[in-house]
Amino acid sequence: AQSVTQPDIHITVSEGASLELRCNYSYGATPYLFWYVQSPGQGLQLLLKYFSGDTLVQGIKGFEAEFKRSQSSFNLRKPSVHWSDAAEYFCAVGPLTGTASKLTFGTGTRLQVTL
Amino acid sequence: DSGVTQTPKHLITATGQRVTLRCSPRSGDLSVYWYQQSLDQGLQFLIQYYNGEERAKGNILERFSAQQFPDLHSELNLSSLELGDSALYFCASSLVGAGLTGELFFGEGSRLTVL
Repeated sequence: AQSVTQPDIHITVSEGASLELRCNYSYGATPYLFWYVQSPGQGLQLLLKYFSGDTLVQGIKGFEAEFKRSQSSFNLRKPSVHWSDAAEYFCAVGPLTGTASKLTFGTGTRLQVTL
Repeated sequence: DSGVTQTPKHLITATGQRVTLRCSPRSGDLSVYWYQQSLDQGLQFLIQYYNGEERAKGNILERFSAQQFPDLHSELNLSSLELGDSALYFCASSLVGAGLTGELFFGEGSRLTVL
């Protein structure tokens, strides 16, 4: 069964500091990995995704993530955090199929940004 | 604005009652997904429909049911409600299976409170 672990429930960083959010996955085949962000009172929005190819993927809002198969990880990074990045971040894993999908989300990491 | 519309935004009801949550997907999207987000369970996949047919099923209780209509809108029916059903219910949509596009477009959710 597929699963995602986000070991950090809550992270606080200062504005301008770098950020790394951890994600470990368990999946029986080639994983398709995603990071979503949920701002307060909003639905989830896709930040970036990894299907294949270059293991370092770029996303929106200056985020990037690196896929490391040997570590079963897909950590999210940002070199300089802005106050507007405060939100909850979800890592997800799912199969690549034609019409059926069943993304499994991690429990999320809540990011607080101090000024 | 993701283009996914959910109604109602908030709903308060009593135990034992039945409610219906409605979702209108983005224009042109054929797949609709339902997720339940609660504090203790995180974001749980419930069910997916593609062009009117059920395509994937997750941790959906027997008291819950869903359907997708010919105009592609979807409804999630929750019956014999219990206190533990209090949660935020998200609908998401995608053109086909999320695995192909890598992106689910989420609505803002329907917050259900069972008293």
